[in-house]
Amino acid sequence: EVQLVESGGGLVQPGMSLRLSCAASGFTFASYALSWVRQAPGKGLEWVSAISGSAGSTYYADSVKGRFTISRDNSKNRVYLEMNSLRAEDTAVYFCAKDTEFGFASGWFDKWGQGSLVTVSS
Amino acid sequence: DIVMTQFPASLAVSLGERATLNCKSSQSVLYSSNNKNYLAWYQQKPGQPPKLLIYWASTRESGVPDRFSGSGSGTDFTLTISSLQAEDVAVYYCQQYYTTPGWTFGQGTKVEIK
Repeated sequence: EVQLVESGGGLVQPGMSLRLSCAASGFTFASYALSWVRQAPGKGLEWVSAISGSAGSTYYADSVKGRFTISRDNSKNRVYLEMNSLRAEDTAVYFCAKDTEFGFASGWFDKWGQGSLVTVSS
Repeated sequence: DIVMTQFPASLAVSLGERATLNCKSSQSVLYSSNNKNYLAWYQQKPGQPPKLLIYWASTRESGVPDRFSGSGSGTDFTLTISSLQAEDVAVYYCQQYYTTPGWTFGQGTKVEIK
């Protein structure tokens, strides 16, 4: 059974940093791209960042480019999102999502974690 | 980025009746070389992550009840729930995966029981 478990969320002040982690199991981790998708309180879904299975390719939404960095450790079956220079508008539940296609980032997601809440506030 | 617009924003339907949800993209998501529409639908219940229902605009994900169906092509798409059940109360999102990167979701349609 595919499982994705996010951790690392919490309350952080504007301008500070936070690192989210997603632990994966139940599939051949290195063969699939993973994404982070966020959802502000009471709002819709926004794709944030993706990383290919080999970590050779990374992608970012314009809203986080230059501030967030995605990475993965295929030996630990984990993907990370390093978030710097956080703003109030980054407040959201951050979901880890598994890409559906084998081998590349296709952008549609068949499994999601439960999410980790990040609150940016002074 | 491609903008996805869903309507209506909310919908109240009686149990057993049909629910029709619409999604329009700001540009075509039909890839001519393979004739596939790069469009997915997700269901999100309160306090839960999204769940994939439909991909390639009309292919039902494994395990999804056949009362859910997707249709449309190019820029106009529809998710139909043929006979609404109580467990279908949720917010439904369409998403385009035509452009890499820059995948975008609609703002969602909330389905409730009348």
